[in-house]
Amino acid sequence: NAGVMQNPRHLVRRRGQEARLRCSPMKGHSHVYWYRQLPEEGLKFMVYLQKENIIDESGMPKERFSAEFPKEGPSILRIQQVVRGDSAAYFCASSPQSTGKSNQPQHFGDGTRLSIL
Amino acid sequence: AQSVAQPEDQVNVAEGNPLTVKCTYSVSGNPYLFWYVQYPNRGLQFLLKYITGDNLVKGSYGFEAEFNKSQTSFHLKKPSALVSDSALYFCAVSALSSGSARQLTFGSGTQLTVLP
Repeated sequence: NAGVMQNPRHLVRRRGQEARLRCSPMKGHSHVYWYRQLPEEGLKFMVYLQKENIIDESGMPKERFSAEFPKEGPSILRIQQVVRGDSAAYFCASSPQSTGKSNQPQHFGDGTRLSIL
Repeated sequence: AQSVAQPEDQVNVAEGNPLTVKCTYSVSGNPYLFWYVQYPNRGLQFLLKYITGDNLVKGSYGFEAEFNKSQTSFHLKKPSALVSDSALYFCAVSALSSGSARQLTFGSGTQLTVLP
């Protein structure tokens, strides 16, 4: 009965390094969403993926950020050459279908807290 | 563009008293509205949603919310607050973005503190 699993829970990187955040959706869910939460703020949508496809990346920064959801394995959010401003909590959510088609709520993981030194 | 406003950063209420956490939204077309709760160092937990139908929606842990189309509001309510309800509450709205995808837009959150 596992929910959305994210790892690591905490990640520390130095400026200029790469950060890789992983998300395994709930069993039976094929839609994955990534959100970023800055301190004292709500969640901001970043990207929506289905298996092997990026459906909506309108919230992704134009540079250094990328996401994938391969046929096998977890979804990965990758941040290259991290900067201090990337420090945030990154949340993954999943749903069985698009929330536009099924009205199903998104189920969230516990997040990865990324700290940039 | 869609947006959500939670006008109160902080709400304090005594245990046993009714609570209300306010939310207003702006969206083109029919909104899908959600409430989530976040405990420290955890992800968001779904409380309830409004898609269509009855304006009063009942959800988890005794919470309910009333959809008011004329006031574009979706306030979260509970008749009798518990200390364990203390948490960060987020209102979210969903509407069509690209293709058939519906991304969630969140409010900035309201910290609810229930005092014993």
